[in-house]
Amino acid sequence: GAGVSQSPRYKVAKRGQDVALRCDPISGHVSLFWYQQALGQGPEFLTYFQNEAQLDKSGLPSDRFFAERPEGSVSTLKIQRTQQEDSAVYLCASSPQGVAVPDTQYFGPGTRLTVL
Amino acid sequence: RKEVEQDPGPFNVPEGATVAFNCTYSNSASQSFFWYRQDCRKEPKLLMSVYSSGNEDGRFTAQLNRASQYISLLIRDSKLSDSATYLCVVNEASGTYKYIFGTGTRLKVLA
Repeated sequence: GAGVSQSPRYKVAKRGQDVALRCDPISGHVSLFWYQQALGQGPEFLTYFQNEAQLDKSGLPSDRFFAERPEGSVSTLKIQRTQQEDSAVYLCASSPQGVAVPDTQYFGPGTRLTVL
Repeated sequence: RKEVEQDPGPFNVPEGATVAFNCTYSNSASQSFFWYRQDCRKEPKLLMSVYSSGNEDGRFTAQLNRASQYISLLIRDSKLSDSATYLCVVNEASGTYKYIFGTGTRLKVLA
C-alpha cells in the first residue's frame, strides 16, 4: 500500500522567502508528526497532530514556523521568512493510533530544504 | 546531558562480525524504546521495539536495562547490507507521543 509521501522532495529558497511543505500520511492514520533533521543529527520533534488537533507544538523553533492539518489527513508545515539555519531535512511521520499508545512511526522520504 | 545519547561511531566491522551499540537515556519515566535504521539520505525505518524482557529478531537482539537507563542493540553475523545509521528512540514519558531520537550510530560493514 501507499506509504507516507512528502512534497516537494527538494526545495531551495532565498533567505526571507516563505515555504510550504506538504505531507500525505498513510490513509486512516490518526497521529502525524513533523521532525527537523540537521546533517549528522537525529530527527528533532517539531509538532504533533492527533487527527486535526495540534496537541503539541513545543518543538517549533520560532513563530516563523506554523503547521496545520485541517481535515485530519494532509498536513502542511509553513516556514515564513526563511533563514539559513532553517536548512535541514523536514520529515513527516504518521502512526495508526492516537495519544498514549506507543506505536511504530512510518516516515516519509522528507523534504530537503536549502536556504541560500 | 542530552536526553538520549549514542556513540556516533563510525563502527567499521568486517562481514560476519558481531557488533553492539548502547544508548543511554536520562528520563527515568520513559517507557517505550525503539531502534530505527536510517540509510544514507533515506527516511528512518523501525528496526525493532525494545521490551523489558529483551527481544530477538533474527540476527538482531535488543535489551533494556532500566536500572542503568540504557538500551542496547546486538547484531550478529554482520552483512554488508547492515551498513546504516542506527537511531535509538525513547518516549519522553509514559503515555506520551513525544519521541526523542538519539544522534545515531553509524555502522559500516566491510567486505
